[in-house]
Amino acid sequence: GIQVEQSPPDLILQEGANSTLRCNFSDSVNNLQWFHQNPWGQLINLFYIPSGTKQNGRLSATTVATERYSLLYISSSQTTDSGVYFCAVYTNAGKSTFGDGTTLTVKP
Amino acid sequence: EAQVTQNPRYLITVTGKKLTVTCSQNMNHEYMSWYRQDPGLGLRQIYYSMNVEVTDKGDVPEGYKVSRKEKRNFPLILESPSPNQTSLYFCASSWDRGGVELFFGEGSRLTVL
Repeated sequence: GIQVEQSPPDLILQEGANSTLRCNFSDSVNNLQWFHQNPWGQLINLFYIPSGTKQNGRLSATTVATERYSLLYISSSQTTDSGVYFCAVYTNAGKSTFGDGTTLTVKP
Repeated sequence: EAQVTQNPRYLITVTGKKLTVTCSQNMNHEYMSWYRQDPGLGLRQIYYSMNVEVTDKGDVPEGYKVSRKEKRNFPLILESPSPNQTSLYFCASSWDRGGVELFFGEGSRLTVL
């Protein structure tokens, strides 16, 4: 099956700093999503981004499908950005694969 | 409000006692899927369903059953739960099987003693 690798596994930032999270995947996919899992375990949709670039406030994401990677940018980080960030890829056959996540800690 | 609803949200049970985790979506989505999440890991797919009466195994189907008798519901059945099925479970749905955004329920935390 498809392999998904996220880096870095852990990231500690000071409030106000910027960061880039990476997601590499091993084969062609139909879809890619980024999620934020908050401390209560809820999965929050951030971006549905099979290709191209999207922005939503301080967050933006870019997927280069031909090179099999996606990047999530967080600018001017806030303590509420803390949590685990997952990328997930999906095939047209219905299967999905998640990366192991990047745990982000933003310190005040 | 568009949502995916799971029940129960929290459950403590004992080994061997059959249980069902329900999942219902109100968006008329064709595709539904179940995942489990264990500490330090991403979500792993258990089963998925492309439409009514169509289900397929994901990466970790052992010990689980599902059914899709109607479009809105996709229950996860643990016939004889074991402690290694202690996990956080998520249900998700989307319009289609791979090309569109997945929407997740709030999760069900299951403990098997």
